[in-house]
Amino acid sequence: KNQVEQSPQSLIILEGKNCTLQCNYTVSPFSNLRWYKQDTGRGPVSLTIMTFSENTKSNGRYTATLDADTKQSSLHITASQLSDSASYICVVSAGGSYIPTFGRGTSLIVHP
Amino acid sequence: NAGVTQTPKFQVLKTGQSMTLQCAQDMNHNSMYWYRQDPGMGLRLIYYSASEGTTDKGEVPNGYNVSRLNKREFSLRLESAAPSQTSVYFCASSEQGMNTEAFFGQGTRLTVV
Repeated sequence: KNQVEQSPQSLIILEGKNCTLQCNYTVSPFSNLRWYKQDTGRGPVSLTIMTFSENTKSNGRYTATLDADTKQSSLHITASQLSDSASYICVVSAGGSYIPTFGRGTSLIVHP
Repeated sequence: NAGVTQTPKFQVLKTGQSMTLQCAQDMNHNSMYWYRQDPGMGLRLIYYSASEGTTDKGEVPNGYNVSRLNKREFSLRLESAAPSQTSVYFCASSEQGMNTEAFFGQGTRLTVV
């Protein structure tokens, strides 16, 4: 069964600090992995997409990594801001499937 | 640039009532989706439409029906609402399948009492 596990479930950090969120998956055959940011009361918004051949991809202060061998991805947030407070969702798509597998998300709170 | 628009934003239903959630996208996307999001459960796919004229069941289709009215619009109907259908519902669209970036609406918060 395809699964996506995210850790930690929740995280509290101080403004300006860095943090790393983890995503482990067992989706097969792997097609791509996306990180979404979901602000409270809003729909998810895509941050990055990683394909099999990509190891690292950045989007401003967000950097995603992918290790296809160990089936792990991480999302690193640099110099956090209050606006980074949100839920971060890892989504993995399997080749040939319209139904991606969603992780349950990591809730990040950035305190001033 | 409206993107994906859902209506209504909030709704309270009594058990057994019916209602239709509306969704429209203006990005000329082929694929559209309905998800529900419950605390601690993450997003779960209810139904999807890979292209105009087709619809398919997702992970949790029971109690729901959908209509792909045209390329822009994809509606979700609850025929006889149950308290277990209390959730936040998200409509999404993508150019072609979930391997392309999905754009989500702002959600409909539905409470069934």
